[in-house]
Amino acid sequence: DGGITQSPKYLFRKEGQNVTLSCEQNLNHDAMYWYRQDPGQGLRLIYYSQIVNDFQKGDIAEGYSVSREKKESFPLTVTSAQKNPTAFYLCASSTGSEQYFGPGTRLTVT
Amino acid sequence: AQSVTQPDIHITVSEGASLELRCNYSYGATPYLFWYVQSPGQGLQLLLKYFSGDTLVQGIKGFEAEFKRSQSSFNLRKPSVHWSDAAEYFCAIIFSGGYNKLIFGAGTRLAVHP
Repeated sequence: DGGITQSPKYLFRKEGQNVTLSCEQNLNHDAMYWYRQDPGQGLRLIYYSQIVNDFQKGDIAEGYSVSREKKESFPLTVTSAQKNPTAFYLCASSTGSEQYFGPGTRLTVT
Repeated sequence: AQSVTQPDIHITVSEGASLELRCNYSYGATPYLFWYVQSPGQGLQLLLKYFSGDTLVQGIKGFEAEFKRSQSSFNLRKPSVHWSDAAEYFCAIIFSGGYNKLIFGAGTRLAVHP
């Protein structure tokens, strides 16, 4: 089945540690996105990539980093510089205007 | 600045009742419009979309939405709600900014009473 996978579903980290969230898609989409979701705020764009080896900052990129070495993979690293990293993170991909979302990873930092 | 407003944070309806979720946008031209649904702890699923043409669009799960240019609105409707429709609903738009950036509303959480 074609789709987007995110792993793990739940992630727990201590404050000060970097953590990497995985996102893989087998839809052959060129574009991939990372969103952060907080209660009552909808989704906010962290980073996006329109093509392999290229990515751009979204609205809330501070404290995050990404890479796009392969078309199917777009991992997100939450660094210790992110002041409030506890959130639900959603990955998406698209081949046009319609975006398809993964199941999400809930990150808790204590 | 472009924005999406969903005025209702929470809505509760009885099973079998009709439903309308409101969405208004702020943008200089007609954007592409979307409604997504999210079950607790899950990703987003696309219900329907409007790009152009007929202003009444049909989606999955019996949902429809109507684009009204004069009101900058794209309200989601369902004639008879099922208990399984309880979820959070997000309205979103894409504007032509060089890439397909989705701008989301804050969401409306729907509860369904038996």
